[in-house]
Amino acid sequence: SQTIHQWPATLVQPVGSPLSLECTVEGTSNPNLYWYRQAAGRGLQLLFYSVGIGQISSEVPQNLSASRPQDRQFILSSKKLLLSDSGFYLCAWSIAENGYTFGSGTRLTVV
Amino acid sequence: QKEVEQNSGPLSVPEGAIASLNCTYSDRGSQSFFWYRQYSGKSPELIMSIYSNGDKEDGRFTAQLNKASQYVSLLIRDSQPSDSATYLCAVIYSSYKLIFGSGTRLLVRP
Repeated sequence: SQTIHQWPATLVQPVGSPLSLECTVEGTSNPNLYWYRQAAGRGLQLLFYSVGIGQISSEVPQNLSASRPQDRQFILSSKKLLLSDSGFYLCAWSIAENGYTFGSGTRLTVV
Repeated sequence: QKEVEQNSGPLSVPEGAIASLNCTYSDRGSQSFFWYRQYSGKSPELIMSIYSNGDKEDGRFTAQLNKASQYVSLLIRDSQPSDSATYLCAVIYSSYKLIFGSGTRLLVRP
């Protein structure tokens, strides 16, 4: 069966520090991969999606970036965090237009 | 701008009642629709998908789709306190992008 792993679960980082969040999927090949962010009390905002290795589409211009170095690995990065980057970051995968499956998320607090 | 609209609630219903959650979307070309449940502090969990006009039932849950009117609804029968959560409507737009509404908070009173 397919599983998705996301870490760390929680993270507290100072303003201006770098960020790296990692997501890996097991049990499937060539999935579509996604990064979403959820601000407190808000809906999910699509940040990036990828349909293959090295293929990244950005939905919202900001100081975040994403990379897909391997088929089942998706990384979210920032060189310098802002206070507004705080939120709940969720990785998800899908095959075609079936429902997306989410990881357990990373709660990021920028202080 | 692709949009998915939901009433933020909270929707409060007594235990055993039917909870009705609604969602509208802006793109007539959308073909795939989903309902997710999200407990506080947790990630969303897929509970229903629907692709054709009409009703789709799964246990206590029924999803309804009306493409002509561009709305999707979720009915929860025999609501339980454990159903208290935020329910997110989601629609796939082009290129497999799943866009979410802001969610409706459901409270089931014992």
